[in-house]
Amino acid sequence: DTGVSQNPRHKITKRGQNVTFRCDPISEHNRLYWYRQTLGQGPEFLTYFQNEAQLEKSRLLSDRFSAERPKGSFSTLEIQRTEQGDSAMYLCASSPARTQETQYFGPGTRLLVL
Amino acid sequence: AQSVTQPDIHITVSEGASLELRCNYSYGATPYLFWYVQSPGQGLQLLLKYFSGDTLVQGIKGFEAEFKRSQSSFNLRKPSVHWSDAAEYFCAVGARGTYKYIFGTGTRLKVLA
Repeated sequence: DTGVSQNPRHKITKRGQNVTFRCDPISEHNRLYWYRQTLGQGPEFLTYFQNEAQLEKSRLLSDRFSAERPKGSFSTLEIQRTEQGDSAMYLCASSPARTQETQYFGPGTRLLVL
Repeated sequence: AQSVTQPDIHITVSEGASLELRCNYSYGATPYLFWYVQSPGQGLQLLLKYFSGDTLVQGIKGFEAEFKRSQSSFNLRKPSVHWSDAAEYFCAVGARGTYKYIFGTGTRLKVLA
């Protein structure tokens, strides 16, 4: 069990640029989640996949955000035309598809938009 | 509305002292409850979880938590704090059939030598 991995760990970009983050879940987990954490706050849910299907998107996920999980394994989160308000830690989690599921989190990608 | 409240933003304790971090929730369904710990710049590590059964649950690193349905609380405790416990602690709630957790705003723990 190698845990959830995320890349890159840090990203600095200029306003208006596009960025893409990657998440590799624990191998046998078919559920994958994205959360956003701003300074001084707890994580907030963004979106959720079961296998390759994106089953819910939070209202926090504006149309500049898109997430994919093309083969039901790794996932990408893309932010287009970044804004300073997008600066945050983006956390990925995964879980097995069981009733009493526990989400296991990755180390996160910290985004700074200048 | 579903919510999690961690009333203490910061807590400072001396090494070796006991610790209790408070968590209150408001949730319509029977909750699943979690405590996670986050070190600076890192992701979240699961400390313990409650789904059902015994209301006192044991976790890693010597932590325990007690579910009190009548008080809608799930407080985290440790009898003797170590300097390495300094971190931010998050309480979260989920439920059967849901897939997103609701997190509190966290409690930052400082440990004095």
